[in-house]
Amino acid sequence: SYELTQPPSVSVSPGQTASIACSGDKLGDKYVCWYQQKPGQSPVLVIYQNNNRPSGIPERFSGSSSGNTATLTISGTQAIDEADYYCQAWDSTTSYVFGTGTKVTVL
Amino acid sequence: EVQLLESGGGLVQPGGSLRLSCAASGFTFSSYAMTWVRQAPGKGLEWVSIISDSGDLRYYADFVKGRFTISRDNSKNTLYLQLNSLRAEDTALYYCARKPGVNERVFDYWGQGTLVTVSS
Repeated sequence: SYELTQPPSVSVSPGQTASIACSGDKLGDKYVCWYQQKPGQSPVLVIYQNNNRPSGIPERFSGSSSGNTATLTISGTQAIDEADYYCQAWDSTTSYVFGTGTKVTVL
Repeated sequence: EVQLLESGGGLVQPGGSLRLSCAASGFTFSSYAMTWVRQAPGKGLEWVSIISDSGDLRYYADFVKGRFTISRDNSKNTLYLQLNSLRAEDTALYYCARKPGVNERVFDYWGQGTLVTVSS
């Protein structure tokens, strides 16, 4: 089965850049999206098709993908960005797959 | 405004059944595929099942193994998930979500979830 692996946690200082990696076999050949989930809330789509932002998502959120890794970047991180982040892709053998999730802490 | 409202969760004994519902509003329900995603307490997101806009195509995660059935009633703008032969490991918050387009493998709107607890 297809798997997506993320680091359990990432720490960042306010105003700095946070980068969250998502690794999977030949992930660069697939479309990747990212969800933000704050405590007690439902997931919110923040990036789709590797690097597109839905309406209403701040420009500080961006994405990229190449090789076996996709990356979500939060530029000028704010306290309100503290949340869990999940990557997600689609694979022909496993269908929809979520990453293991990364907790972003803004120190 | 797109709204998805799940219901039907609760406490059930191992081996029992539940039917979850997801009432949709604010968009043309019959034009969108819909999905169920679950999240065990303190754990990550796990995809469960998806159904096409017309309801004729259904796919399931391997762990479902014939125990769950996804369905929809486009006349009622409602998505369902029938859960049978429930196990303790099925305890989770079950979300319904919308798939925005035929070629889009992403979920753009999510409900608030309904909690299923499987315990004796």
